Amino acid sequence: ETGVTQSPTHLIKTRGQQVTLRCSSQSGHNTVSWYQQALGQGPQFIFQYYREEENGRGNFPPRFSGLQFPNYSSELNVNALELDDSALYLCASSQRGQGDYGYTFGSGTRLTVV
Amino acid sequence: DQQVKQNSPSLSVQEGRISILNCDYTNSMFDYFLWYKKYPAEGPTFLISISSIKDKNEDGRFTVFLNKSAKHLSLHIVPSQPGDSAVYFCAAIDQGGKLIFGQGTELSVKP
Repeated sequence: ETGVTQSPTHLIKTRGQQVTLRCSSQSGHNTVSWYQQALGQGPQFIFQYYREEENGRGNFPPRFSGLQFPNYSSELNVNALELDDSALYLCASSQRGQGDYGYTFGSGTRLTVV
Repeated sequence: DQQVKQNSPSLSVQEGRISILNCDYTNSMFDYFLWYKKYPAEGPTFLISISSIKDKNEDGRFTVFLNKSAKHLSLHIVPSQPGDSAVYFCAAIDQGGKLIFGQGTELSVKP
């Protein structure tokens, strides 16, 4: 059983640029959620994808967007990067309908915006 | 609006003693709670959970207590071990099925 894989592990971008983060979900999982964890804070929900459609969104602006592919992998895109976007971005996969809320997290992508 | 709060950013405990990590929540509609453990450079890993129909759940050295009237839960680790040193997050499942996290408590267990 493979876990959740995120790429890249680290990257540095300049303010105003665009970035794409990738996530491969755990085998058997059909739902992917993305979280932003700023330094010293808990993870904040960005959005969730199920069956290739956005299924719930947190308090993040439209420049944060995502995709889910038929193999359940996912991308997080952030346009017009701001300094405050610097954070650890976590992807979590789960199987909808699983009663124990079995979220499996990846190790995250550390984004630094300069 | 922080719906799940962990008011202690850090906790230091001697090896072998009890660690108690606290968490408060504001939304009485939350009916499932989880604790996650996070090491540096790793994602959060699930530790233990509790449904609102229970007031206690135990798994080995880890016990979670839920006080619904006070909207408070706590994680007890007995006995604490140096390998338990990590950041612990309390989380609630909201009505949409997403995780709402607290700010985390960094536990340090000293030998």
